[in-house]
Amino acid sequence: EIVLTQSPTTMAASPGEKVTLTCRASSSVSYMHWYQQRSGASPKLWIYETSKLASGVPNRFSGSGSGTSYSLTINSMETEDAATYYCQQGSSYPYTFGAGTKLELK
Amino acid sequence: EVQLQQSGAELVKPGASVKLSCKTSGYTFSNYYMSWLKQMPGQNIEWIGNIYGGNGGTGYNQKFKGKATLTVDKSSSTAYMDLSSLTSEDSAVYFCARDDNNHLDWYFDFWGPGTMVTVSS
Repeated sequence: EIVLTQSPTTMAASPGEKVTLTCRASSSVSYMHWYQQRSGASPKLWIYETSKLASGVPNRFSGSGSGTSYSLTINSMETEDAATYYCQQGSSYPYTFGAGTKLELK
Repeated sequence: EVQLQQSGAELVKPGASVKLSCKTSGYTFSNYYMSWLKQMPGQNIEWIGNIYGGNGGTGYNQKFKGKATLTVDKSSSTAYMDLSSLTSEDSAVYFCARDDNNHLDWYFDFWGPGTMVTVSS
């Protein structure tokens, strides 16, 4: 099973600040996918195949990485971006998720 | 518009079983896999397994073999998950989510709202 480790676990950012979340895989994966989850809601696909934005995702978000190291970046933090972000690998069974990064507004 | 509608919250006794449903619309059910996922309160998301809408072929996370059984009803475009021998460790929100892929790398593009299962005597 591929273990995904996200960092930081929690962070706070001010409006306008640049934010970078990271996800490291215990083995190399082809792509990384990211989800946004707000409290009490189901996760939403946010970034897929490492760098493609899902429908409706603002272009201040971007994704990058390869092999075992991936990241999600917010170019300029906005209030609505406060949520928990999970990475997920779909390269091999069982599909696995990271433990999430809770992003709060400072 | 793709929609996944899940059945309502369940309160079940330890040792019992429960069957959850996920009714879909807005796409061709038989062309996609459907996954089921578990999220305990404040915890990580775990992938339970998936099922192909076309022929009912399944794949399971070894951790959930014997606990979860996935089925489909093509006539109503609905996926089901049976959970058996329930314990407090099964208390969680269960999501259905449609699988999609490119280059055989899989992700979940549409999610249901989740069904809360509470196991308590």
